[in-house]
Amino acid sequence: AQSVTQLDSHVSVSEGTPVLLRCNYSSSYSPSLFWYVQHPNKGLQLLLKYTSAATLVKGINGFEAEFKKSETSFHLTKPSAHMSDAAEYFCVVSGTGKLIFGQGTELSVKP
Amino acid sequence: DTGVSQDPRHKITKRGQNVTFRCDPISEHNRLYWYRQTLGQGPEFLTYFQNEAQLEKSRLLSDRFSAERPKGSFSTLEIQRTEQGDSAMYLCASRTSGGQMSYNEQFFGPGTRLTVL
Repeated sequence: AQSVTQLDSHVSVSEGTPVLLRCNYSSSYSPSLFWYVQHPNKGLQLLLKYTSAATLVKGINGFEAEFKKSETSFHLTKPSAHMSDAAEYFCVVSGTGKLIFGQGTELSVKP
Repeated sequence: DTGVSQDPRHKITKRGQNVTFRCDPISEHNRLYWYRQTLGQGPEFLTYFQNEAQLEKSRLLSDRFSAERPKGSFSTLEIQRTEQGDSAMYLCASRTSGGQMSYNEQFFGPGTRLTVL
């Protein structure tokens, strides 16, 4: 069975400081991994996806994630947070066509 | 706007009533998915279609729930005899089925928020 665990339910950073949202995955085979973002009252939007072509994946809005097989991790990072980054972030693994979501991490950005 | 659309955006109903939601996927996408998201949780898979065929249903989809995609385009999700535990956001997503399928992004609609009183 495949699953993802987001290690923090809430992360708070100051504007301009780095962001780290942690995700561990479990998969019996080479996984397909995604990060989605959900802003209040808006639909889920894909930030980035791991396609096995490169372990460091760059996404939209300056986000990136690194796939580490030895640690079964796929953490999301951004060098400098912006107020507009405040949202709910989901780490997701693809399983037999459907998506399996983590519990989510709420990111707060303080001015 | 050529994204995934859902109707209605909000639905308030009384316990025991039936409700039906509609999803219009991106036109060239042959796969359509339904998910349910409760407060403070990530979305959970309910069911998906490839064209008009319903290929998988979650154990979450009790016999009070039924989904259809009669012509392989839009889909409906019906909940019969609603219960307060059905209160949630119901999300629809679509994607293509070609290429390396597991890498294909699912595009999500804005969701239908159901409140059962």
